Amino acid sequence: QKEVEQDPGPLSVPEGAIVSLNCTYSNSAFQYFMWYRQYSRKGPELLMYTYSSGNKEDGRFTAQVDKSSKYISLFIRDSQPSDSATYLCAMSGYGNAGNMLTFGGGTRLMVKP
Amino acid sequence: EAGVAQSPRYKIIEKRQSVAFWCNPISGHATLYWYQQILGQGPKLLIQFQNNGVVDDSQLPKDRFSAERLKGVDSTLKIQPAKLEDSAVYLCASSLDRTGGTGKLFFGSGTQLSVL
Repeated sequence: QKEVEQDPGPLSVPEGAIVSLNCTYSNSAFQYFMWYRQYSRKGPELLMYTYSSGNKEDGRFTAQVDKSSKYISLFIRDSQPSDSATYLCAMSGYGNAGNMLTFGGGTRLMVKP
Repeated sequence: EAGVAQSPRYKIIEKRQSVAFWCNPISGHATLYWYQQILGQGPKLLIQFQNNGVVDDSQLPKDRFSAERLKGVDSTLKIQPAKLEDSAVYLCASSLDRTGGTGKLFFGSGTQLSVL
């Protein structure tokens, strides 16, 4: 079993739809949770960053962390064609998780005009 | 602010040849990372430097991969000899965070390596 699981997709939605992207994880020592966006032939860029459980909103993006279920989500409202990319969840922590950032495999999102 | 610079962008070599990648991190970032990203997968950490010291190289195949970060700034990653399974994108990232644990990384565009 991988430490971080993410549905690879592709996920295809019409422009304006609400998108839900999810990851599950197994290591309870993870404390920091991130979403990175990666456009084709580019490096990942940090999109959302959350410490511990709870919600965080930034414009059209909302990140949710449920540590009791070991489940994190990224919601995109009013999706745009420019949101078409691969979304990578990532997490790190202290103790057993060390300082190493562990990525999910990524979900490819396609937003069609 | 200039981003993380990497070169070359693309490299095609034959198996058993050697190859080197170069990275210049964001100015002032103490922590530098090399990741390997195989097509369809998330990035996997190869090595992490803090200044010019190695913090984590547990997933670096040391029989063929080597990396150095001289003077705590630029870094090079070398593969010798290359194998077919080394075909991947090699990403360099840097972080202002000195502990490396908070995950706020800035990535370069990567070097796409094809081993034939």
